[in-house]
Amino acid sequence: ETGVTQSPTHLIKTRGQQVTLRCSSQSGHNTVSWYQQALGQGPQFIFQYYREEENGRGNFPPRFSGLQFPNYSSELNVNALELDDSALYLCASSTGQPSTNEKLFFGSGTQLSVL
Amino acid sequence: GDSVTQMEGPVTLSEEAFLTINCTYTATGYPSLFWYVQYPGEGLQLLLKATKADDKGSNKGFEATYRKETTSFHLEKGSVQVSDSAVYFCALKEGAQKLVFGQGTRLTINP
Repeated sequence: ETGVTQSPTHLIKTRGQQVTLRCSSQSGHNTVSWYQQALGQGPQFIFQYYREEENGRGNFPPRFSGLQFPNYSSELNVNALELDDSALYLCASSTGQPSTNEKLFFGSGTQLSVL
Repeated sequence: GDSVTQMEGPVTLSEEAFLTINCTYTATGYPSLFWYVQYPGEGLQLLLKATKADDKGSNKGFEATYRKETTSFHLEKGSVQVSDSAVYFCALKEGAQKLVFGQGTRLTINP
């Protein structure tokens, strides 16, 4: 049990739609990162938020955006969905400074299917 | 950018067999290295880590040694159990924020 909860667990959307995925972290976890895991692949870093500000971004287009809230919850928003966006989306939280903290707590993920 | 390469899976072993899952990396500098495990229906969990050359990470009977000469971080266990069946990911920390993962190795242990 990692204390990180993601919702929904599964989601089906059609191409061109928008989607919001949610993550609830443990109290005190001031850093949240989002990863995309395609089938049979390792997770790929989308972005990280630290104290409600974006703190780093991977090679994902601007239609992937996020928010982090003071209550340790966060959102991943994806606009103009494409078929290749079908994947498992993982949220990971941690405490302390991102540069020194090396233990991430992962949620079970949201499986997004784009038809 | 940095990258991680893991041995191709899936790997199937009998209970009590010796396990090795190979992992090599390409990176500038000497990043921290990790093994994560993903059990069915669950999120990734940190299994072990090493932060500098020649460090050995260990947990639950698993071990991995940070080898900068061969840029490797192979995962080993002397005697696997059915409960070790999972997907194992090797990863490194690039910069201050992100983990770079290998593609994962699915391990199945038969009784």
